[in-house]
Amino acid sequence: GAVVSQHPSWVICKSGTSVKIECRSLDFQATTMFWYRQFPKQSLMLMATSNEGSKATYEQGVEKDKFLINHASLTLSTLTVTSAHPEDSSFYICSATDRGRGEKLFFGSGTQLSVL
Amino acid sequence: AQKITQTQPGMFVQEKEAVTLDCTYDTSDQSYGLFWYKQPSSGEMIFLIYQGSYDEQNATEGRYSLNFQKARKSANLVISASQLGDSAMYFCAMRDLYNNNDMRFGAGTRLTVKP
Repeated sequence: GAVVSQHPSWVICKSGTSVKIECRSLDFQATTMFWYRQFPKQSLMLMATSNEGSKATYEQGVEKDKFLINHASLTLSTLTVTSAHPEDSSFYICSATDRGRGEKLFFGSGTQLSVL
Repeated sequence: AQKITQTQPGMFVQEKEAVTLDCTYDTSDQSYGLFWYKQPSSGEMIFLIYQGSYDEQNATEGRYSLNFQKARKSANLVISASQLGDSAMYFCAMRDLYNNNDMRFGAGTRLTVKP
């Protein structure tokens, strides 16, 4: 099956620093990637949608200058949390899709971010 | 706008018994897909089953079946012969297939299988 690799799995950083999370589709070309955020015991909330070669589309309430998304190639999307603060601590998970692989999304394993 | 509702925050089931996890949805889309994902404590999202809005037969995948009632806008997940390893969070999700849009999730149901 299709594989999406996400790393790092977890990261601890100091307040004010920036953190980059990578999401790679290993065996298919991901025309679209989605970034979700999940707080403890809650559901996945969509942050943004990124299509290869174009600017990401952010959901209402998500600060695009704080959560920078780059989808420079068909196999790689990155999420950079800029000037992270403790309230940004969360589980971030990416997913990817390719029209040739049907309707379902393929998910990365997630990144647990803890900002001290 | 799409809305997914899971009204059961937690469910308990005895090992080897069957359990039904409820999911209702609301959408104005004509073509949509309904999904169930399992999320164990590790955090990964494991795809379980898919039902297209135009599929006439209910989807089945091994011990998982989806009770799709289009008129009632419900897509309940049935897990037969529960196993201890089935203990996890379960999310119902929907995707607009015509526009190939993002996937929206319900609040989730935590299933605990008791030995």
